[in-house]
Amino acid sequence: DIQMTQSPSSLSASVGDRVTITCRASQSLTTYLSWYQQKPGKAPKLLIYAASSLQSGVPLRFSGSGSGTDFTLTISSLQPEDSAIYYCQQSHSPPITFGQGTRLEIK
Amino acid sequence: EVQLVQSGAEVKKPGESLKISCKGSGYSFSSYWIAWVRQMPGKGLEWMGIIYPGDSDTRYRPSFQGQVTISADKSISTAYLQWSSLKASDTAMYYCARPMSIGSSTDPFDIWGQGTMVTVSS
Repeated sequence: DIQMTQSPSSLSASVGDRVTITCRASQSLTTYLSWYQQKPGKAPKLLIYAASSLQSGVPLRFSGSGSGTDFTLTISSLQPEDSAIYYCQQSHSPPITFGQGTRLEIK
Repeated sequence: EVQLVQSGAEVKKPGESLKISCKGSGYSFSSYWIAWVRQMPGKGLEWMGIIYPGDSDTRYRPSFQGQVTISADKSISTAYLQWSSLKASDTAMYYCARPMSIGSSTDPFDIWGQGTMVTVSS
């Protein structure tokens, strides 16, 4: 299985801050990498697919970059509603695997 | 509206059987794969397996093979996840999810069910 490692595991930032979350894969994914946001008691929500494509309806402050084994999710100006857990997911090779998650808190 | 609606929360005893469901609407159910994803309490997301309702082609994560059964009834646009003998370690939230593209088993999941909480306790 492809192992996905996110960093940091948790972070706290203020409204308006620029936030970056990193995801590293144990082997090359080319760009088969997605990002999800999960709020308490809710199903995950797709934010980014194909490493950098913004899912319809997702605010423009979210962006993704990277290829191969290293990827980032960036929130350009943090908003209170961005408090959530963020997961990366690879779909390059079955079985599909997720990172362990990054908990983002608003100061 | 495209949506997946899952059956309600379950509380079961170890050794009991269980079948939970995921009903699709607003799209051609037979043409899109449906995956099941487990989330144990306070933990991350695990892809369990996936089924193509059109022909019931099913693939499992090796660690779930033999532990659960994934099935679908395309006539009523419903996918299922079942256990023949539950264990306490099966306590988790279970989500069904649909890949973005017709016929793709590996696309990211753009549609998710609301989740079914399964609690197994004596």
